[in-house]
Amino acid sequence: KAGVTQTPRYLIKTRGQQVTLSCSPISGHRSVSWYQQTPGQGLQFLFEYFSETQRNKGNFPGRFSGRQFSNSRSEMNVSTLELGDSALYLCASSFRTSGMYNEQFFGPGTRLTVL
Amino acid sequence: KNQVEQSPQSLIILEGKNCTLQCNYTVSPFSNLRWYKQDTGRGPVSLTIMTFSENTKSNGRYTATLDADTKQSSLHITASQLSDSASYICVVSAVGLTGGGNKLTFGTGTQLKVEL
Repeated sequence: KAGVTQTPRYLIKTRGQQVTLSCSPISGHRSVSWYQQTPGQGLQFLFEYFSETQRNKGNFPGRFSGRQFSNSRSEMNVSTLELGDSALYLCASSFRTSGMYNEQFFGPGTRLTVL
Repeated sequence: KNQVEQSPQSLIILEGKNCTLQCNYTVSPFSNLRWYKQDTGRGPVSLTIMTFSENTKSNGRYTATLDADTKQSSLHITASQLSDSASYICVVSAVGLTGGGNKLTFGTGTQLKVEL
């Protein structure tokens, strides 16, 4: 069974640009969650989608948005990039919603650098 | 406010030695607790997941314990190997009361380094 895949793996953008990251969950998983990870900050929750509906949202500005398609693939968009958006963006999938008693599988992440 | 605190922040041990990582939480109402291992630059990998009725759960050389009364969990690593060098993250799930499902609270992790 293929794991969670994220594309691209590395990305370099400049301030003010926008970026779209993609996540393909494990086959059969309906929940996709997005996280931002920066050194010293740990994992910060962005949002979770389940069956194309946003279930939970973290405390990030409206520049961060996402969506989920009918095949459970998800995209995350960041508009008007700022230097502080440089981070590892992780996607995770699970069969049920992430907080339920079920295993959550993480992808390898997309390393975003904003110059 | 739901919080997860891990200790120590970092730890260095010699190969072959055992170690124990701690996780204290104030998450309520409690649903389940997970431990993840994250290698540098990679996504976390699940080690264990426990609900309140599970006191101990093992995954190879990794053994997690949970005391739901004191809201503490520990991760014990036996006979450490160089490949155990990683960040270990404790995550606690709270039952969702206002819709939207359960919510996860992440600890900031313990950075473990295993040396020869």
